[in-house]
Amino acid sequence: GQNIDQPTEMTATEGAIVQINCTYQTSGFNGLFWYQQHAGEAPTFLSYNVLDGLEEKGRFSSFLSRSKGYSYLLLKELQMKDSASYLCAASDSNYQLIWGAGTKLIIKP
Amino acid sequence: IAGITQAPTSQILAAGRRMTLRCTQDMRHNAMYWYRQDLGLGLRLIHYSNTAGTTGKGEVPDGYSVSRANTDDFPLTLASAVPSQTSVYFCASSDLGSGGENEQFFGPGTRLTVL
Repeated sequence: GQNIDQPTEMTATEGAIVQINCTYQTSGFNGLFWYQQHAGEAPTFLSYNVLDGLEEKGRFSSFLSRSKGYSYLLLKELQMKDSASYLCAASDSNYQLIWGAGTKLIIKP
Repeated sequence: IAGITQAPTSQILAAGRRMTLRCTQDMRHNAMYWYRQDLGLGLRLIHYSNTAGTTGKGEVPDGYSVSRANTDDFPLTLASAVPSQTSVYFCASSDLGSGGENEQFFGPGTRLTVL
């Protein structure tokens, strides 16, 4: 079957670094997405990886290992506004997204 | 440019009533999707459409129907609402097959309560 696993909740301190992990199993693979979702709002696109390696976008980086079915999102210099849920989604052979339940990130001062 | 709009923003509905959630995008994306999001669960695909005139069933299609008469609009209908359909509904669109990242863009959501 198709499955995405990510931690339910994580806590980090303002100014620190946090890594959110995601493992996936899909029928075919066409890339791995990370989305951010603030409470009561819609998900917004953060990053996309289809090749192995690290993609950096400012304070946010995303890593993919296709052979391990593994990705992580790295957030640096955490700010209070980064408090949100982070959704991992894998694109399957039909380009449908299979979604994880999301990781709620709590930032403490 | 609005992107994707959904209506209504929220709705309280009596069980057994018919309800249509509206979704319109102005990005000329070929693919559109309807998801429901429930606490503790990931986004679950209800129905999708890869191009105008075609639709497909997602993971949880029972009790819902869709149509795609044109590129911009993708309404979701609950023929006879039940309390288990209480959820937040998101419409999304993407430029499928363009060779790019094909990321999905989401509307603001409709919060539906069925009593």
